[in-house]
Amino acid sequence: GDSVTQMEGPVTLSEEAFLTINCTYTATGYPSLFWYVQYPGEGLQLLLKATKADDKGSNKGFEATYRKETTSFHLEKGSVQVSDSAVYFCALSDMGSNYKLTFGKGTLLTVNP
Amino acid sequence: KAGVTQTPRYLIKTRGQQVTLSCSPISGHRSVSWYQQTPGQGLQFLFEYFSETQRNKGNFPGRFSGRQFSNSRSEMNVSTLELGDSALYLCASSVSSGDNEQFFGPGTRLTVL
Repeated sequence: GDSVTQMEGPVTLSEEAFLTINCTYTATGYPSLFWYVQYPGEGLQLLLKATKADDKGSNKGFEATYRKETTSFHLEKGSVQVSDSAVYFCALSDMGSNYKLTFGKGTLLTVNP
Repeated sequence: KAGVTQTPRYLIKTRGQQVTLSCSPISGHRSVSWYQQTPGQGLQFLFEYFSETQRNKGNFPGRFSGRQFSNSRSEMNVSTLELGDSALYLCASSVSSGDNEQFFGPGTRLTVL
């Protein structure tokens, strides 16, 4: 079945530091890949997505590239802000699982001023 | 356009009781999915409804059930509550079943005592 593995953290960075959160996946088909963000006390917000190999998703300074050869979708940001403090979830969906979202365990990011 | 709304936001129940949670999708969205979020198991898919029909189901016992109405609003019901059912229950809507982009509500926090 489908699965997503991401570094669990927590990750603590200083403002303006570089961020990488690793994500690898296993899927029966050809999945779409997502990063969701959850701020304290809120639901999930879609941060970015990629639907085919070598696609780069980007939003709010965050980027992730769909790497089929390494089955990875690592999240990066060049300069984090305090407001980026949240939990980040990597997820996939594919036709083999009727497009339900399969999530990683989440990575708590704390950015200090 | 209003987002996904979930009611109630917080619930406290005792073991053995039953509970009904409600989700109103974004206007025009006809697919509603439910997820359970716990610290131990992370985010797990419960079920998806589209056009009043259950399209997909996760690995949860029969105590967890749901339905969808003609206006696309959805409810999920948990009967004979157990302590382990304490979780954040998230609802997500999308335009149609199999749509790549799901929009999440803020969740209902259920505590079982």
